[in-house]
Amino acid sequence: DFQMTQSPSSLSASVGDRVTITCRASRNIDTYLNWYQQKPGKAPKLLIYAASSLPSGVPSRFSGSGSGTLFTLTISSLQLEDFATYFCQQSYSVPPTFGGGTKMEI
Amino acid sequence: QVQLQESGPGLVKPSETLSLTCTVSGGSISFYSWNWLRQSPGKGLEWIGYTYYTGNTNYNPSLKSRVTISVDTSENQFSLRLTSVTTADTAVYFCARDAGYSDYDYAFDFWGQGTVVTVSS
Repeated sequence: DFQMTQSPSSLSASVGDRVTITCRASRNIDTYLNWYQQKPGKAPKLLIYAASSLPSGVPSRFSGSGSGTLFTLTISSLQLEDFATYFCQQSYSVPPTFGGGTKMEI
Repeated sequence: QVQLQESGPGLVKPSETLSLTCTVSGGSISFYSWNWLRQSPGKGLEWIGYTYYTGNTNYNPSLKSRVTISVDTSENQFSLRLTSVTTADTAVYFCARDAGYSDYDYAFDFWGQGTVVTVSS
């Protein structure tokens, strides 16, 4: 299986901050990388697919970049509702696998 | 807006079979693949498998010997069976839709709220 490693595992930030989370794949996954946001007691929400594409309805302050083995999720200006846990997931190979998560706290 | 809702027992005894159903509303179950995933503190998020509306399936190799996912298009539902459960199968179980982006699989755009399943005697 492809291993996905996120850093940092937790992050303290403030409203208005620009924040970047990193995800590293154990092998080349081209741009087959998705990002999710999860709030306590809720299901994950798809934020980014194919490394940099935003699904309809996702605010433009979220952006993704990268290819191969190194990827980033950037939030340009943190809003209160963005404090959550973020996961990356590779969709290059079966089984799709997830990173361990980055918990963003105030 | 598509909505998914998991249902099934919250407590299963070791060695028995876990059975869950996901009911899809607000849209047809046709033309997408429908997935089961689970989340536990120890293993994080884990993909279990999917069924296409035609009944074609694909499973996580680590669970393949114990998993069956089936679809009932007449009821707009799909189901999960996991046999011979142990305490390691205790988790929140989610059903989710593959977004169906062109030439791009395994991006999950609609999820159920999740259901807690505990394996304990």
